[in-house]
Amino acid sequence: KNQVEQSPQSLIILEGKNCTLQCNYTVSPFSNLRWYKQDTGRGPVSLTIMTFSENTKSNGRYTATLDADTKQSSLHITASQLSDSASYICVVSWLNTNAGKSTFGDGTTLTVKP
Amino acid sequence: NAGVTQTPKFQVLKTGQSMTLQCAQDMNHNSMYWYRQDPGMGLRLIYYSASEGTTDKGEVPNGYNVSRLNKREFSLRLESAAPSQTSVYFCASSASGSSEQYFGPGTRLTVT
Repeated sequence: KNQVEQSPQSLIILEGKNCTLQCNYTVSPFSNLRWYKQDTGRGPVSLTIMTFSENTKSNGRYTATLDADTKQSSLHITASQLSDSASYICVVSWLNTNAGKSTFGDGTTLTVKP
Repeated sequence: NAGVTQTPKFQVLKTGQSMTLQCAQDMNHNSMYWYRQDPGMGLRLIYYSASEGTTDKGEVPNGYNVSRLNKREFSLRLESAAPSQTSVYFCASSASGSSEQYFGPGTRLTVT
């Protein structure tokens, strides 16, 4: 069964600190991996998307890495801000994907405190 | 350019009542989707439409029906609401050949 597991489930950090969120998947054959940010009460917003051949991609203070061999991805947030408080969702799509072939992780809830 | 819009934002139903959730996108996307999100769980796909005139079941389709009215609009209908359908419902869309999805703001539904 295709699965996406994220860790930790929740995380609290102080403003200005860095943090790393993890995503492990068993989806095969792999097409792409996306990270979304979901603010409370809102829909998810895309941060990064990586295909098999990409092992790192940045979006401002957000940097995602992908190791397709070990089926692991991480999202690193640098110099955190209060506005980074949100849920971060990892989504993995299968080859020849459409939405029927994407698996969503349960998300990591990040709280940034002043 | 509003992106993906959903109506209503909130809804309370009694068990057995019916209702339709509306979704529209103005990005000329071919594909549209309906998800539900329950506390502590990932988004789960209910139905999707790869193009106008086609719909397919996702992971949790029971108790729901959909209509792809035209390229812009994709509605989700609950014929006989049950408390287990209490959830937040998200509509999303994507361009052909892309798995990059754009989400609406969600509809928070409570069934009592």
